[in-house]
Amino acid sequence: QVQLQESGPGLVKPSQTLSLTCTVSGGSISNGHYYWTWIRQPAGKGLEWIGRIYRSGSTNYKSSLKSRVTISIDTSKNQFSLNLRSVTAADTAVYYCARVGFGYSSGSYYYYMDVWGKGTTVTVS
Amino acid sequence: EIVLTQSPGTLSLSPGERATLSCRASPSITSNSLAWYQHKPGQAPRLLIYAASTRATGIPDRFSGSGSGTDFSLTISRLEPEDFAVYYCQQSGDSPPYTFGQGTKLEIK
Repeated sequence: QVQLQESGPGLVKPSQTLSLTCTVSGGSISNGHYYWTWIRQPAGKGLEWIGRIYRSGSTNYKSSLKSRVTISIDTSKNQFSLNLRSVTAADTAVYYCARVGFGYSSGSYYYYMDVWGKGTTVTVS
Repeated sequence: EIVLTQSPGTLSLSPGERATLSCRASPSITSNSLAWYQHKPGQAPRLLIYAASTRATGIPDRFSGSGSGTDFSLTISRLEPEDFAVYYCQQSGDSPPYTFGQGTKLEIK
């Protein structure tokens, strides 16, 4: 069974870069049936999608974060990573990595996050 | 970007009762690309429903999803104690961005 585990510093200084890694176990990150994504949740708030990556390295990002975010993939290590530059206190959140499944129905695609990591808390201070 | 609005913000019910959670999309979702998640404190979110009405693997049949276009709903037919949590809807469309609703907190009355 596939499991995801986030890792990285729990404390980042303002203006620096937040870097997290998600390690995938029990399955291959090169499986073409999935994308891989990062999501965050500030304390007391809802879930916010950050971006996604495919095995090829193709990425999509939330528009408001696009200038500061890079998601990369290392298939040899079965990992994908998040870099968020120039962080502020507003970037303090629990960060989750997740696997994105997809399907095709009625002429269009649908996507869903079917496996999640447990999340890691990152504080910017 | 599609905005999802969930209602009510908080739903207070007793075990055994039926829960209906709403998720409204603006503009409408042209496909059935809506998912529902259950989130408990300190845990990862759990996928319940995808493609608007398909139950994810291992999800009890008391959970059901329905809807299309702008109005979607998640129904829990008979609440169990472990069902009290925050529920989020999420849309994907044909391409990103993915967006989430703000959540509905289902609490014990």
